[in-house]
Amino acid sequence: DIQMTQSPSTLSASVGDRVAITCRASQSISSWLAWYQQKPGKAPKLLIYEASSLQIGVPSRFSGSGSGTEFILSISSLQPDDFATYYCQQYKNYRTFGQGTKVEIK
Amino acid sequence: EVQLVESGGGLIQPGGSLRLSCAASGFTFSSHIMNWVRQAPGKGLEWVSIIYSGGSTYYADSVKGRFTISRDNAKDSLYLQMNSLRDEDTAVYYCAREPSPYGPFDYWGQGTLVTVSS
Repeated sequence: DIQMTQSPSTLSASVGDRVAITCRASQSISSWLAWYQQKPGKAPKLLIYEASSLQIGVPSRFSGSGSGTEFILSISSLQPDDFATYYCQQYKNYRTFGQGTKVEIK
Repeated sequence: EVQLVESGGGLIQPGGSLRLSCAASGFTFSSHIMNWVRQAPGKGLEWVSIIYSGGSTYYADSVKGRFTISRDNAKDSLYLQMNSLRDEDTAVYYCAREPSPYGPFDYWGQGTLVTVSS
């Protein structure tokens, strides 16, 4: 089974900061990686698919990069609405989520 | 408009059984891969099971042999039969759709809470 590991687990940042979250796969998943945002009590929302493609309606301050086993989700200028938990997910072989990264207010 | 609505959650004793349903609308249900994902209180997302358009199914090791995913394309519905429930199965259960032919989870239901407790 493919394991997904995110870092950091928690990230403290301020509005306007540029932030980056890393996701590593236990084996190559090519570009079959997605990123989701989840707020308390809500279902996750798809942000990025195929490692770097922006889902329709998602602000352009979100971007994704990487391939193979290392991936990054970047937020260019953190906005108040962006404080949430972020998950990566592989969909190359079955489906697996990372453990999540909580972005909190510094 | 794509909609996924889960139902069937509730309080159940350890060892009991429960069947979750997910009613789909707004898209051609039979053409899409469907999944169940769960989230224990205060924890992260855990993929549970997948069912392909053709009916093939796969499960996370944590539920293999106890849970069964199924679909009724005539009723635009997805199901999760959960047997031999354990305390650690307590979670919000989401159904999630993949775009055709496959991909990430582009639509999610609102979730249904399953609580396993004596």
